[in-house]
Amino acid sequence: AQSVTQLGSHVSVSEGALVLLRCNYSSSVPPYLFWYVQYPNQGLQLLLKYTSAATLVKGINGFEAEFKKSETSFHLTKPSAHMSDAAEYFCAVSLTGAARQLTFGSGTQLTVLP
Amino acid sequence: DGGITQSPKYLFRKEGQNVTLSCEQNLNHDAMYWYRQDPGQGLRLIYYSQIVNDFQKGDIAEGYSVSREKKESFPLTVTSAQKNPTAFYLCASSISPLGAEAFFGQGTRLTVV
Repeated sequence: AQSVTQLGSHVSVSEGALVLLRCNYSSSVPPYLFWYVQYPNQGLQLLLKYTSAATLVKGINGFEAEFKKSETSFHLTKPSAHMSDAAEYFCAVSLTGAARQLTFGSGTQLTVLP
Repeated sequence: DGGITQSPKYLFRKEGQNVTLSCEQNLNHDAMYWYRQDPGQGLRLIYYSQIVNDFQKGDIAEGYSVSREKKESFPLTVTSAQKNPTAFYLCASSISPLGAEAFFGQGTRLTVV
């Protein structure tokens, strides 16, 4: 069984501040982990994915995430927020990496304040 | 440009009517998926297809039907048996059924009036 918990349905940061979006997973085996971004009324775009190679994963738009097995976490970070980062972010897990086995978290809405 | 096209972007349906959502991809992907998204929730898998003429139920298939007659197309029909059809529907595809990144369409917002 697998599940994903995203702590904080809404996060607000000031422009230029650190972005930290939290994701904890539950999985019986080391999973594949993903972060997706969704802009209003749009589909999801893959930001980054963890596939058991490097534990620190760099993605698009300056985002990165670190896989911490001991904490069962895969938090998303960006050193300096930009107004264009305002969107909803979803963490997802898959035991095999197969898209049909993706389990999504409930999402975190990121607001960037000027 | 390669991608996934969903149409229409907005759709209104009267209660008791069936409605079909279109999903077309020109990525030459084998696998396609339909997800439902409700406010404050993650995506839930409705149906998926790993190859032409084959499809499997996902977690919330009741009240929905699909077909996969062509590799490029995976339409979703929301039937009158779906009790709460108002939602945002997302179609996705991946190059293969296993271990592959999912690419998403722009979504269709269905509202029952």
